[in-house]
Amino acid sequence: ETGVTQSPTHLIKTRGQQVTLRCSSQSGHNTVSWYQQALGQGPQFIFQYYREEENGRGNFPPRFSGLQFPNYSSELNVNALELDDSALYLCASSQDRGGETQYFGPGTRLLVL
Amino acid sequence: GDSVTQMEGPVTLSEEAFLTINCTYTATGYPSLFWYVQYPGEGLQLLLKATKADDKGSNKGFEATYRKETTSFHLEKGSVQVSDSAVYFCALSDRKGGATNKLIFGTGTLLAVQP
Repeated sequence: ETGVTQSPTHLIKTRGQQVTLRCSSQSGHNTVSWYQQALGQGPQFIFQYYREEENGRGNFPPRFSGLQFPNYSSELNVNALELDDSALYLCASSQDRGGETQYFGPGTRLLVL
Repeated sequence: GDSVTQMEGPVTLSEEAFLTINCTYTATGYPSLFWYVQYPGEGLQLLLKATKADDKGSNKGFEATYRKETTSFHLEKGSVQVSDSAVYFCALSDRKGGATNKLIFGTGTLLAVQP
């Protein structure tokens, strides 16, 4: 069984740029959630995708957007990067949108200069 | 809204010591509760979970019991090892708003086990 994978592992961008992060869900899972983890903090929910549709969103501005593809992989896009966007971005997959247990990938560490 | 409060770290223990990391929650309804562990430079790994009151989750010698009366889910281990050194996150699943199932995390507790 393949676990959740994310790419890239690390990324450095400058303020104002745009970034795309990628996630492949665990085999058999059709729901992907994205979280932002600032240094020394717990992860914060960004949004969730279920069968290619957004299925809930946390308190993040519209410049955070996402996509889910027919194979259930997902992208997180962040426009107009700000210094405070520097964080570890975690993707988690679950079996159906009601599936309570979420399995996390290793994360993408984004640094905005 | 729903929230999770964890004891602040770091928690520093000697090998084979008893571990308790306190976690309390605030929620309307009946959330499921989780403990995740994060090793340095890695993502989160599910350690254990409990889905209803009085359930006990256990894994790798760690245990936690869902206590509705005290709204707590404290993590315990009888004898810690150096390899248990990591950050531990308590979390609840928030099912409000329909089928969206998001996790709400505490701020994490760093555990450092010394040989």
